[in-house]
Amino acid sequence: GDSVTQMEGPVTLSEEAFLTINCTYTATGYPSLFWYVQYPGEGLQLLLKATKADDKGSNKGFEATYRKETTSFHLEKGSVQVSDSAVYFCALRAGANNLFFGTGTRLTVIP
Amino acid sequence: EAEVAQSPRYKITEKSQAVAFWCDPISGHATLYWYRQILGQGPELLVQFQDESVVDDSQLPKDRFSAERLKGVDSTLKIQPAELGDSAMYLCASSPFDDSNEQFFGPGTRLTVL
Repeated sequence: GDSVTQMEGPVTLSEEAFLTINCTYTATGYPSLFWYVQYPGEGLQLLLKATKADDKGSNKGFEATYRKETTSFHLEKGSVQVSDSAVYFCALRAGANNLFFGTGTRLTVIP
Repeated sequence: EAEVAQSPRYKITEKSQAVAFWCDPISGHATLYWYRQILGQGPELLVQFQDESVVDDSQLPKDRFSAERLKGVDSTLKIQPAELGDSAMYLCASSPFDDSNEQFFGPGTRLTVL
């Protein structure tokens, strides 16, 4: 079945450090891939997405590239800020509207 | 900016009691979803509506959970009776019926069953 495997956390970084959160997927067909962010006490917000192989999604300095050959969609940011502290979820949608989420990675950025 | 509304934000109940959660999707969004997010895990779909019809409820524990969207707008998710293992965040999301199908999430209802 469809599934997402996400790098376990928590991740603690100093401000301005480089961030990578790994995500790999298993799916039939050609899924769309997403990163969602959940700030404390809030619902999920779409951070970025990619709908086909080699697409790069980007938003707020975050990037992720849809790699079909490695079935991956790793999240990166060159310089994190304290305000980026949140839980990040990788997700896929294959065919129907249903989203399959990873377990989430908690990021804490310290000044 | 339009948002998905959910209430209550927090609910504490005792096991064997009934609880209900309400969701008002973004106006015009035909598809509505209820997800359950257990602490430390990602959200899992409970039920999906297209207008007033259930599209997918394969993961809904139907012996105790029910969901309705009578007029194809707002929706209610009910649990009766609640069990300790139902403690979780219940998220509602909606999406327009277009090619993007992007899902917009509400703030969630955090349920604690004592």
